Amino acid sequence: DGGITQSPKYLFRKEGQNVTLSCEQNLNHDAMYWYRQDPGQGLRLIYYSQIVNDFQKGDIAEGYSVSREKKESFPLTVTSAQKNPTAFYLCASIQTGTGPTEAFFGQGTRLTVV
Amino acid sequence: ILNVEQSPQSLHVQEGDSTNFTCSFPSSNFYALHWYRWETAKSPEALFVMTLNGDEKKKGRISATLNTKEGYSYLYIKGSQPEDSATYLCAFIGMGGSARQLTFGSGTQLTVLP
Repeated sequence: DGGITQSPKYLFRKEGQNVTLSCEQNLNHDAMYWYRQDPGQGLRLIYYSQIVNDFQKGDIAEGYSVSREKKESFPLTVTSAQKNPTAFYLCASIQTGTGPTEAFFGQGTRLTVV
Repeated sequence: ILNVEQSPQSLHVQEGDSTNFTCSFPSSNFYALHWYRWETAKSPEALFVMTLNGDEKKKGRISATLNTKEGYSYLYIKGSQPEDSATYLCAFIGMGGSARQLTFGSGTQLTVLP
C-alpha cells in the first residue's frame, strides 16, 4: 500500500542534542512538507521541497534543517539551536504537475526534549 | 507569512444539529483550497480540493463552498453525528514561483454530543 511513514512515533532526547525525524513516502510525490504542532495550535510550516535537491524555508525554519537527496525521503533535523523543540511533527506529501490534488500525511512524531 | 484563519476555534453541537465553519485566506494569487478532517490519533484525511471561484463540493452530509474573490470558504455539516467529531482544517496554496507552499489554518475542533 502506498503511503507516508514517519518514524519513530515517539522520541525522547536530551536538551542540546540534535535529532533527526524520518519521513518516507512511496507515493511518487514530488512535493514534501514538514509541519510542527504545539498544544492548542495549528500546523505551522517548517520546510518544504518541490523536487530532489531543492527545498525552501517555511514560516518557522529557525533551528531546523532538511535534506532531499531522494524523491521518497525528506528527513528533518531538529538542532540544538531550536529553543523549544518539544512538539508534534507531521510530514506531508502532494503530487504536483497534474493539477491541484490532496496532500497525504504521515502519522506524526511526538518529540519530547528533556 | 500567509494568513489563513479559521473560525470558530472550537464548537460543541448536539447530535442532529447542522453546523458550519469558515476559512479565510488571501484573495490574491489563489491556486487551491483544501479541507481536511483530522481525528485524534489518526492522520488528516482530505475532504475537498477546491479550485474555482463559486465551487461547491459535497460528500455525504458534508459540503463546502468557495469564494476566491473575497477569500473565504465555508464547510457545512448537515445533521451532525458523534462520528463527525474531529478537527477540520483548511489549507491554502498560492500561485507563483516553482514551489507551492501549503499553509494551514489553525483548525476548528468540532465535538458532537449524543
